[in-house]
Amino acid sequence: SQTIHQWPATLVQPVGSPLSLECTVEGTSNPNLYWYRQAAGRGLQLLFYSVGIGQISSEVPQNLSASRPQDRQFILSSKKLLLSDSGFYLCAWSYQVGAAFFGQGTRLTVV
Amino acid sequence: GQQLNQSPQSMFIQEGEDVSMNCTSSSIFNTWLWYKQDPGEGPVLLIALYKAGELTSNGRLTAQFGITRKDSFLNISASIPSDVGIYFCAGLSGGYQKVTFGTGTKLQVIP
Repeated sequence: SQTIHQWPATLVQPVGSPLSLECTVEGTSNPNLYWYRQAAGRGLQLLFYSVGIGQISSEVPQNLSASRPQDRQFILSSKKLLLSDSGFYLCAWSYQVGAAFFGQGTRLTVV
Repeated sequence: GQQLNQSPQSMFIQEGEDVSMNCTSSSIFNTWLWYKQDPGEGPVLLIALYKAGELTSNGRLTAQFGITRKDSFLNISASIPSDVGIYFCAGLSGGYQKVTFGTGTKLQVIP
């Protein structure tokens, strides 16, 4: 069966510090991978999605970047965090045709 | 870009009542999905719909894929306290089957 792992679960970072959130998927190959951000009590904003290694599409201009160095690894990064980067970050995967399945999320607080 | 309008935005209901929420779009989707998110967790898939007109049940939950492929609804019968959470619709479209989420419906059940 397929599983998705996302870490860390919570993170408190100072403004201006770098960020690296990692997501890995097991039990499947060549998945579509996604990074979403969710502000408190709000909907899911798609940040990045990837259909293959090294292929990243950005949905919104922002202070963040994503990379997919391996088939089942998706990384969300920032060189310098802003206060507005705080939120709940969710990684998800899907087959090319089908539903997306989510990780447990990372609660990021920038202070 | 594509948008999914979900209504109602929030609802308070008495335990035992039935619930209905819907999702509409100006674009056609190939697949409709319904998720539930508990606080601090990632969304969990409830029902997936793959064909226009399809009606699918999962326990007390029933969802339908609209004939026009631009809408879907989710019904919950005989609500219970653990139904509390945020419900999201989502649609898949395009060659890469990108997942687009609705704005969410926050459900509160009064015991």
